[in-house]
Amino acid sequence: SQTIHQWPATLVQPVGSPLSLECTVEGTSNPNLYWYRQAAGRGLQLLFYSVGIGQISSEVPQNLSASRPQDRQFILSSKKLLLSDSGFYLCAWSPEPGLNTGELFFGEGSRLTVL
Amino acid sequence: QQQVKQSPQSLIVQKGGISIINCAYENTAFDYFPWYQQFPGKGPALLIAIRPDVSEKKEGRFTISFNKSAKQFSLHIMDSQPGDSATYFCAASTEGGRFGAGTRLTVKP
Repeated sequence: SQTIHQWPATLVQPVGSPLSLECTVEGTSNPNLYWYRQAAGRGLQLLFYSVGIGQISSEVPQNLSASRPQDRQFILSSKKLLLSDSGFYLCAWSPEPGLNTGELFFGEGSRLTVL
Repeated sequence: QQQVKQSPQSLIVQKGGISIINCAYENTAFDYFPWYQQFPGKGPALLIAIRPDVSEKKEGRFTISFNKSAKQFSLHIMDSQPGDSATYFCAASTEGGRFGAGTRLTVKP
């Protein structure tokens, strides 16, 4: 069976510090991978998605970047955090094109607080 | 640009009542319309989904009604229970998802 892991689960960082959130998927190959951000009481904003190693599409201009160094690893980074980067970050995966039913499978999320 | 509009933002229903959440989309290329349920501190999980070739899908107490011509779809929760209290997101996609803003449902006992 497939599983998705995100870490850290909770993070408190000062303004201007770097960020690295990691996501790994097990039990599948060549998944589509996604990073979403959920601000408090708000909806899900798609930040990045990837259809393969090194292939990253950005949905909105921001202070964040994403990388996919391995097939089942997706990393969200920032060089200098802003207060507005606070939120609940969710990694998700879906099966590769051709096998895709459309369903997204979400991780447990990483709650980032920037002070 | 918001491609999926969801309403209401919050909803309070008495136990046993019907909860109705509505969504509208813009892109006619969308071919998959899921609803996700999210409990506090957790990631969303798929609740029920529909393709545009059918007008209704029912799974237990949960029903999706789909109106292709109006580009609208809705989630109906029959006999709502306190355990249904969560945030519900509609989405529309070809692959991946464009999500609505979410509806916080509270079912009072």
